[in-house]
Amino acid sequence: GEDVEQSLFLSVREGDSSVINCTYTDSSSTYLYWYKQEPGAGLQLLTYIFSNMDMKQDQRLTVLLNKKDKHLSLRIADTQTGDSAIYFCAERGSQGNLIFGKGTKLSVKP
Amino acid sequence: DSGVTQTPKHLITATGQRVTLRCSPRSGDLSVYWYQQSLDQGLQFLIQYYNGEERAKGNILERFSAQQFPDLHSELNLSSLELGDSALYFCASSSTGSGYEKLFFGSGTQLSVL
Repeated sequence: GEDVEQSLFLSVREGDSSVINCTYTDSSSTYLYWYKQEPGAGLQLLTYIFSNMDMKQDQRLTVLLNKKDKHLSLRIADTQTGDSAIYFCAERGSQGNLIFGKGTKLSVKP
Repeated sequence: DSGVTQTPKHLITATGQRVTLRCSPRSGDLSVYWYQQSLDQGLQFLIQYYNGEERAKGNILERFSAQQFPDLHSELNLSSLELGDSALYFCASSSTGSGYEKLFFGSGTQLSVL
């Protein structure tokens, strides 16, 4: 079935890079997404990558896609305390809805 | 602010009761999605509507139902509530519901069943 897996926690120091990893199951997914959830708020789209791309860079964010291994990663350069949040990886399901991982809680220590 | 409005923000009720959660999509968006977020299950897709019609169904229990009205707002009805229904319920909207465009999420309704 359709499933998205990601580690639950990541802790980094301010100024370091953060790398959040995700694996997905549906090789036909055309788009893969990263969403961010801050405390008390809904999910906000951070970035996405089209399946024919290997990498996408957007300011401090770098998304890497390995289609062979069905592995997606999000790198945040120069992580700041304001980046502390839960990050969700998502793929588009067969019905067109988004299928989310359980989220990775990123804690940034000053 | 995503432009998606959900009410109420918090809801506390007892087992066996029925509640209605409301969602107003972003202006111009025709599609509404409902998701349930819990600690153990993560974010589970419940149901999607497009311009008043049901488009896709996920892990929605028979005790739950939803509809989208002509003004495009949507309601999620939860009945015969159980303790395990306690969760954060999100509504999201998108312009066409094709699945390729951005989803904009509301801030959610926190449901506590006591």
